[in-house]
Amino acid sequence: AQSVSQHNHHVILSEAASLELGCNYSYGGTVNLFWYVQYPGQHLQLLLKYFSGDPLVKGIKGFEAEFIKSKFSFNLRKPSVQWSDTAEYFCAVGSTSGTYKYIFGTGTRLKVLA
Amino acid sequence: GAGVSQSPSNKVTEKGKDVELRCDPISGHTALYWYRQSLGQGLEFLIYFQGNSAPDKSGLPSDRFSAERTGGSVSTLTIQRTQQEDSAVYLCASSRDRGFAEAFFGQGTRLTVV
Repeated sequence: AQSVSQHNHHVILSEAASLELGCNYSYGGTVNLFWYVQYPGQHLQLLLKYFSGDPLVKGIKGFEAEFIKSKFSFNLRKPSVQWSDTAEYFCAVGSTSGTYKYIFGTGTRLKVLA
Repeated sequence: GAGVSQSPSNKVTEKGKDVELRCDPISGHTALYWYRQSLGQGLEFLIYFQGNSAPDKSGLPSDRFSAERTGGSVSTLTIQRTQQEDSAVYLCASSRDRGFAEAFFGQGTRLTVV
């Protein structure tokens, strides 16, 4: 069965620190990969996505992610975080096995200290 | 509408009562998903609709849970004889088609069973 693992459940950083959130997936076929973000009190919104092509994907608010097929990874990065990046981040894979659905990781809660 | 709309935003119900949760997807989106978000559990897939049919109901936790979609638009998730473990945020998402266009999420319905 497909699955997504996010290894960091809680991350606390100071402003201007660099961020890398890990995401590994288990799926043998063609994958579509996503990072979603949920700011406090708001709905989930798309941060970035990878379907094909350049494995380095740039998203909104200075975030980027790199798809490494050999490692089954899609880690999220940001060179310098801001207090406003405090949120919960979810990695997801689009499963094409059987039916179409998004499989999410358990999320990483990021707190950025001002 | 401009986004995915869910109602009610909050629902408190007594154990054993039935509840109905409603989702209005973005107009023209053929794919619709229901997820459950519990603390520390990430997003748990419940059911996927393509049009009015549900090719994947594999995530429904028990036969107390059911969902329908009418007119290729509005969907209702029904939980019968609610239990305390049903307390969670129920999220609805829609996407343009089943080819993994971006999924847009609603604000969710926070269900509390007392």
